[in-house]
Amino acid sequence: DQQVKQNSPSLSVQEGRISILNCDYTNSMFDYFLWYKKYPAEGPTFLISISSIKDKNEDGRFTVFLNKSAKHLSLHIVPSQPGDSAVYFCAASVSSNTGKLIFGQGTTLQVKP
Amino acid sequence: GAGVSQSPSNKVTEKGKDVELRCDPISGHTALYWYRQSLGQGLEFLIYFQGNSAPDKSGLPSDRFSAERTGGSVSTLTIQRTQQEDSAVYLCASSLVGTGDFEQFFGPGTRLTVL
Repeated sequence: DQQVKQNSPSLSVQEGRISILNCDYTNSMFDYFLWYKKYPAEGPTFLISISSIKDKNEDGRFTVFLNKSAKHLSLHIVPSQPGDSAVYFCAASVSSNTGKLIFGQGTTLQVKP
Repeated sequence: GAGVSQSPSNKVTEKGKDVELRCDPISGHTALYWYRQSLGQGLEFLIYFQGNSAPDKSGLPSDRFSAERTGGSVSTLTIQRTQQEDSAVYLCASSLVGTGDFEQFFGPGTRLTVL
């Protein structure tokens, strides 16, 4: 039972263009969503988050959009840079709960120079 | 300040052996989590510690898996009688507060290979 799904295993974009990574979830109890970025042989690092009371959160080149009715969120990176090449994980949690994160399978982003 | 550290970074073991994986969380963080990432998969929650409360063990895949957190700091994940399907990267994370809206900081992981 995959509660958080990232249906695109990989994405390739040109430097300077927009990268859009998508994530779907099934559990309506989730009220906090996070994106983590992971380089090989390193642990994931936090990128950006959004509470379910918002539909958008922006931090520099990174913006996360949340569509609660569709149970869908997306991460936009603009402009994309070669250093953004990594695996991106979407995660969800119930904020009042223990904080355990439910992760998607990840999307490998490649930004070509 | 130091981040989350894990040891060993790599562990190769034979099927049937026991292994212990260690995690040193960020000082002052009250919550500690263990996850694992199998090949081609996302991160899978294993267990959660928060202060002196009883741990949330709901993610442990079998009774061969156990974890302790001593003195509210260092944690050890033990896998008994390892099986090949236990091969994965085991990741530890800590956060200041153990609720879902606080950032979790991850260690580099321990890559476990069971032959």
